[in-house]
Amino acid sequence: SAVISQKPSRDICQRGTSLTIQCQVDSQVTMMFWYRQQPGQSLTLIATANQGSEATYESGFVIDKFPISRPNLTFSTLTVSNMSPEDSSIYLCSVEEGKNYGYTFGSGTRLTVV
Amino acid sequence: AQTVTQSQPEMSVQEAETVTLSCTYDTSESDYYLFWYKQPPSRQMILVIRQEAYKQQNATENRFSVNFQKAAKSFSLKISDSQLGDAAMYFCAYRIPHNFNKFYFGSGTKLNVKP
Repeated sequence: SAVISQKPSRDICQRGTSLTIQCQVDSQVTMMFWYRQQPGQSLTLIATANQGSEATYESGFVIDKFPISRPNLTFSTLTVSNMSPEDSSIYLCSVEEGKNYGYTFGSGTRLTVV
Repeated sequence: AQTVTQSQPEMSVQEAETVTLSCTYDTSESDYYLFWYKQPPSRQMILVIRQEAYKQQNATENRFSVNFQKAAKSFSLKISDSQLGDAAMYFCAYRIPHNFNKFYFGSGTKLNVKP
């Protein structure tokens, strides 16, 4: 299965600033997915990132707040913009392992906004 | 609506004992894939086991097995011979073929393993 390196693993940020999270995969993948996991909650899909096209955002998430880049088939970034304490969450990237498989997830980024 | 329900927010099991985590889901689809994921304190989501809905035989992976009841839309996870390393959050999830981008996750069950 693919190996995903996600950085940073954690960060504490001031409100109003932005943080960019990086996700590097050791193999080429068509789709990459970004999830948010709020404290004590399940995972919520933010957006799907395909290489060469704009990301597709789920209801409740917008590009201005969570811009995503996908410059090639092994890399993606998620930026959390103009942060507020409500953005404090774990952010995870993931890739599909084929139609019959689950996802492989990165180790997550724990973001705390103060 | 596509939903996944895990009715047990937290469970405890004695080391070496067996525990079953419950999961029910709601879908109108006949073809889908079911998964159990484990999330230890390290935050890494780890695939534990998966089940194709078209297969009647319950999936097993070493100490982990499922009881898949398609008519009842139930997908429980049984952990045998529990080990301290099994302590984690467990999430039930499924995907449907025509919307393969999306995983539907349950709210999770925190499993504590007592030595």
